[in-house]
Amino acid sequence: EADIYQTPRYLVIGTGKKITLECSQTMGHDKMYWYQQDPGMELHLIHYSYGVNSTEKGDLSSESTVSRIRTEHFPLTLESARPSHTSQYLCASSESSTIYGYTFGSGTRLTVV
Amino acid sequence: RKEVEQDPGPFNVPEGATVAFNCTYSNSASQSFFWYRQDCRKEPKLLMSVYSSGNEDGRFTAQLNRASQYISLLIRDSKLSDSATYLCVVNNGGSYIPTFGRGTSLIVHP
Repeated sequence: EADIYQTPRYLVIGTGKKITLECSQTMGHDKMYWYQQDPGMELHLIHYSYGVNSTEKGDLSSESTVSRIRTEHFPLTLESARPSHTSQYLCASSESSTIYGYTFGSGTRLTVV
Repeated sequence: RKEVEQDPGPFNVPEGATVAFNCTYSNSASQSFFWYRQDCRKEPKLLMSVYSSGNEDGRFTAQLNRASQYISLLIRDSKLSDSATYLCVVNNGGSYIPTFGRGTSLIVHP
């Protein structure tokens, strides 16, 4: 049923490693977003994109980067993982007008040890 | 003041009860409003959009009050399966960036 896919679903990785979290959507949505959410806490926007070759930083200061080379693909990269990066990362997308709301992927639960 | 504020709860209600949540927003230029539902350790899912005239979907009714800058969600005849966190989402239109509330926790018990 999901039209937006995130991989991996779970990841445990050592400090200092470089990781890329994948997000792909098949709906042709222009806008894509990355959120970070700790258990029981609110979503924090870390990056977003209005379309191909567009990327912007969100409200949460982050040591991650994103790219948007294709409409359907919006990967998030952490150059050097730290224990403070342990969290759930949620990818979302929306149509241009956003009046139909936002569709989320199932998330990647990252643990940095 | 936070852009979008919700009472975190939890709201603990018996099956069959009617429960209502409010959400206030600070930006008067906000244009789109939504309620999302999030189950524990899952992604948020769209429950319903909120229209200016108010709208209903089965047991769920959403209202928008632009003058007082709040939206509400009413759940009638609560089911055990309604237990979740309900997120208020506000879109400021110009930026297309949604702002999420922290969520209101609902627990429906037998």
